[in-house]
Amino acid sequence: ILNVEQSPQSLHVQEGDSTNFTCSFPSSNFYALHWYRWETAKSPEALFVMTLNGDEKKKGRISATLNTKEGYSYLYIKGSQPEDSATYLCAFGEYGNKLVFGAGTILRVKS
Amino acid sequence: DGGITQSPKYLFRKEGQNVTLSCEQNLNHDAMYWYRQDPGQGLRLIYYSQIVNDFQKGDIAEGYSVSREKKESFPLTVTSAQKNPTAFYLCASSPAGTSGSNTDTQYFGPGTRLTVL
Repeated sequence: ILNVEQSPQSLHVQEGDSTNFTCSFPSSNFYALHWYRWETAKSPEALFVMTLNGDEKKKGRISATLNTKEGYSYLYIKGSQPEDSATYLCAFGEYGNKLVFGAGTILRVKS
Repeated sequence: DGGITQSPKYLFRKEGQNVTLSCEQNLNHDAMYWYRQDPGQGLRLIYYSQIVNDFQKGDIAEGYSVSREKKESFPLTVTSAQKNPTAFYLCASSPAGTSGSNTDTQYFGPGTRLTVL
């Protein structure tokens, strides 16, 4: 079974701080890397799908980078807001249209 | 409104009983998935189906069963053989099944929390 690791496990920041988290995955047989945001009492929602080494994606204040050769992806949030509070999940796209998820990083932004 | 619905939101079961969790989607998606979440762990794949009348075991299928008789429905039965069924269960779907790829976004339902008493 593939191992996808996320760090840190949780993060508490002040409103306005910028933050970043890491997703580590196997560097061999890479197909795709997904990021999801999961707010409390809601369903996980897709943020990005990344496939190419060096890919950078951006959505508002959130961006992500991908390094498939060394097996990691970073998610950055610039100027965190309380509404950014959520669990951020990464998932490795495995052969056969399946995803292997990390345990997530819990972000809490204090106003 | 298009989306995925799961019912019930909370479910309580006595030990030794089978219980079925419902998952319905009106997104016209071919593929559907069941995941289990336990504290401190990532979502783990129980079963998935890429097309009607076909499904495959995921990483933790023991003690579970599914059916896919209709495109829009993918119910999960938690049997008495599942040794530790208390968990949060998420259903998801993605657009393409056998022709899909691992770049397809998965769309999730709101989940069912199962507690065994």
